[in-house]
Amino acid sequence: EIVLTQSPGTLSLSPGERATLSCRASQSVSSRYLAWYQQKPGQAPRLLIYGASSRATGIPDRFSGSGSGTDFTLTISRLEPEDFAVYYCQQYGSSPQTFGQGTKLEIK
Amino acid sequence: EVQLVQSGAEMKKPGESLKISCKASGYNFANSWIGWVRQMPGKGLEWMGIIYPADSDTRYSPSFQGQVAFSADKSITTAYLQWSSLKASDTAMYYCARMYSAFHIWGQGTMVTVSS
Repeated sequence: EIVLTQSPGTLSLSPGERATLSCRASQSVSSRYLAWYQQKPGQAPRLLIYGASSRATGIPDRFSGSGSGTDFTLTISRLEPEDFAVYYCQQYGSSPQTFGQGTKLEIK
Repeated sequence: EVQLVQSGAEMKKPGESLKISCKASGYNFANSWIGWVRQMPGKGLEWMGIIYPADSDTRYSPSFQGQVAFSADKSITTAYLQWSSLKASDTAMYYCARMYSAFHIWGQGTMVTVSS
């Protein structure tokens, strides 16, 4: 089973700043099958990024994903108030699929 | 519009059985994997497994193998998650989600509370 470790656990930033979230895998993620999700309180998760770097439909271009192998990054170029939430990475290239433990992005 | 609509919240006692549903619309239900994800109160997301409705091929996480069962009814485009004997530790929000370039679309979640 591939273990995904996200860092930091909590990230405190201000609107307008740049956010960089990390997801490290215990083994190489097949064919860049790495996704990022955003979850706000009381809501279902929402897909942001799939295939490590492709934005899902309707996702603003301030969200970008990069990486390959075992190291992946989600970058939010300029934080908007609605971006403060919990973010999860997921690998879906091998079974069982797995999620990271999440990074909470909070307002500083 | 692609949509997944889950059944409502459930309150059960330990030892009881339960089957929750996920009604799909707006896409070819039979030919897309549907997954189930658990989120315990205040915790992260856990991948439970996936089912392919066309032939009911299922893949369970080892953590959930033998604890739950997935099924699907193509005629009514609905997937199911069931327990034969609930425990207090099954208390959680359960999400279904369509696999299409990762979990592309999610249901709204079903809260299951197990308490004596």
